[in-house]
Amino acid sequence: KQEVTQIPAALSVPEGENLVLNCSFTDSAIYNLQWFRQDPGKGLTSLLLIQSSQREQTSGRLNASLDKSSGRSTLYIAASQPGDSATYLCAVRSIQGAQKLVFGQGTRLTINP
Amino acid sequence: NAGVTQTPKFQVLKTGQSMTLQCAQDMNHEYMSWYRQDPGMGLRLIHYSVGAGITDQGEVPNGYNVSRSTTEDFPLRLLSAAPSQTSVYFCASSLFFGAGNYGYTFGSGTRLTVV
Repeated sequence: KQEVTQIPAALSVPEGENLVLNCSFTDSAIYNLQWFRQDPGKGLTSLLLIQSSQREQTSGRLNASLDKSSGRSTLYIAASQPGDSATYLCAVRSIQGAQKLVFGQGTRLTINP
Repeated sequence: NAGVTQTPKFQVLKTGQSMTLQCAQDMNHEYMSWYRQDPGMGLRLIHYSVGAGITDQGEVPNGYNVSRSTTEDFPLRLLSAAPSQTSVYFCASSLFFGAGNYGYTFGSGTRLTVV
């Protein structure tokens, strides 16, 4: 059974810092991994999708890496801004059980001005 | 391009009432699914559909029904609401999941309270 863990559960940093959010998963047989952002009381916004054959994906100040063999992904946020404050979720689409995403519990990020 | 549209955004029900949460997508996605999000439990799959006329159960299907008569719509029915169904409900869609290489698009959610 696929399990996804995100560490830390919460993170608070001053504006301008570069930061890394971590995601680990137990079954490396995956199709892809997706990072989402969720603002309080809102839906999930897709940030980056990494296929199992890829090592990383970039979008603006965001860079996500994937090490499938070790079951790890990181989301790197450069030059953080207060507007980056949100909960970040990673989700895995496994080859076995491809009908669903398995989510981590999320990292609640606060960027202090 | 509206993406995935969910209605209503908020709803309060009394125990025992029934209701339908609506979900529509305009991206011609074959795959649609419903999740619920609860504090400490994360997001859990309720039901999913891989195309019109085809539905199946997820992790937590009890108390919910679905149908898929068109590609665009995937309503979720609460048969007899219970306080345990108080949650935030998200609808999601994706291109054909068999290829596995597509990401999901989520709706903005329905916040349901059962009293």
